[in-house]
Parts: sequence; C-alpha cells; structure tokens
Amino acid sequence: DAGVIQSPRHEVTEMGQEVTLRCKPISGHNSLFWYRQTMMRGLELLIYFNNNVPIDDSGMPEDRFSAKMPNASFSTLKIQPSEPRDSAVYFCASSDRQGNTGELFFGEGSRLTVL
Amino acid sequence: AQSVTQPDIHITVSEGASLELRCNYSYGATPYLFWYVQSPGQGLQLLLKYFSGDTLVQGIKGFEAEFKRSQSSFNLRKPSVHWSDAAEYFCAVANQGGKLIFGQGTELSVKP
Repeated sequence: DAGVIQSPRHEVTEMGQEVTLRCKPISGHNSLFWYRQTMMRGLELLIYFNNNVPIDDSGMPEDRFSAKMPNASFSTLKIQPSEPRDSAVYFCASSDRQGNTGELFFGEGSRLTVL
Repeated sequence: AQSVTQPDIHITVSEGASLELRCNYSYGATPYLFWYVQSPGQGLQLLLKYFSGDTLVQGIKGFEAEFKRSQSSFNLRKPSVHWSDAAEYFCAVANQGGKLIFGQGTELSVKP
C-alpha cells in the first residue's frame, strides 16, 4: 500500500490567500484525522472523521478553517483567509478502527508558510 | 481532561547506552497509550501501544514500554541505543471516545 498521501508537501502563500491541503487515506481505513504541528503548541488534533462523517471538530482553531471528506478516499483541509500564524506542518492520518483505539498511519505532512 | 506530559524536552545519550524516555498521563479510566517516533521531515510512526493485559509492551526497533498505573506513567526504554534512533518521540493517550492526545515530544540525540 502507498500509505497516507498528502499534497502539497510544501506551500508558501501570502496572507489572505486561500490554502487547500489534500489527503488520501490508506484504502480500507474508515477514520481520518487532521493534525497541526508547531514548535509552540506541538501536535494538535484539528478534526477527525469516521466513515466520512466529522465526529469532533473542537480542535479547529476558528471559522477560517474547514475540512471535508466527500468520500472514503479523499479529504481536504481549507484555510480561508490564511494568516501568518497558520504557518505549521499539517498532518493527515488514517486508521482502520473507529476513534483512536487503533494505530494511526501518518502522511509525511504539508508544510505551510504564510507570509 | 486527558493530558500527557513528557518532562524531558531534549535528551542526549551515547551510542550503546541505555535509554528511558518519560511519559506521564492524566486520564480517569484505563487509558490507551502509545509511543510514536518522528524522524526529521517525516510523519509519525507507531513504536508500540498498550490497551490492556501485560503491562510491559514490546515494540518495533527494540523498544519497550511499561505501564504503571500507580504512577500514571508509560516510560519508553531501549537497552542499547543506535545512532539511527535519533529522532523525536511522542507519547500519546486516547480514550474510548476516540481522541488521541500527544505530549510535547522528547528530542533524542545520540553521541557517537
């Protein structure tokens, strides 16, 4: 299996622009997670989906952030408008068990820089 | 609320020496506990996990961890460290409702 695939790997944008991060989970996995990693705050869970349905989005920082999972093989995390404080590495992970009682498989991350 | 504390931000050990990385958790019920490793520029990889049963858990790459309920700890150990073990290590806790909370991480450096 190819593992969790994220794109883009690197994104540099200007403040106010829209950013869309993409994730393809491992085939057959029914849970998908979006995390954000920064030096100051470490790894933060933003949102997770079970069977394409958002279960907990309490970690989404504000309305500028939105996430969708239109089908079992694709998810997006969108930031509109972006701000410099959004600069971070965004990880997508998937699991074959609902919730977090199974192993999470992480993608290699999308490094976002907002100027 | 669940939380995970990794007291050591950075640890340096000599190659061949033993290693112990500390992890303390806060959770009311029996926790699901994990250790992940992150190499530079990479995502996280699962080293080992504890759900129930034997409190000493074996993982990949020669790592093990021991769950101690009385101390709310889940420390990671390796008897002999290799240079390739240099990375950042994350302890995490999850509840049955499905939220995985990570500690701040411990960066491991290995001296030749």
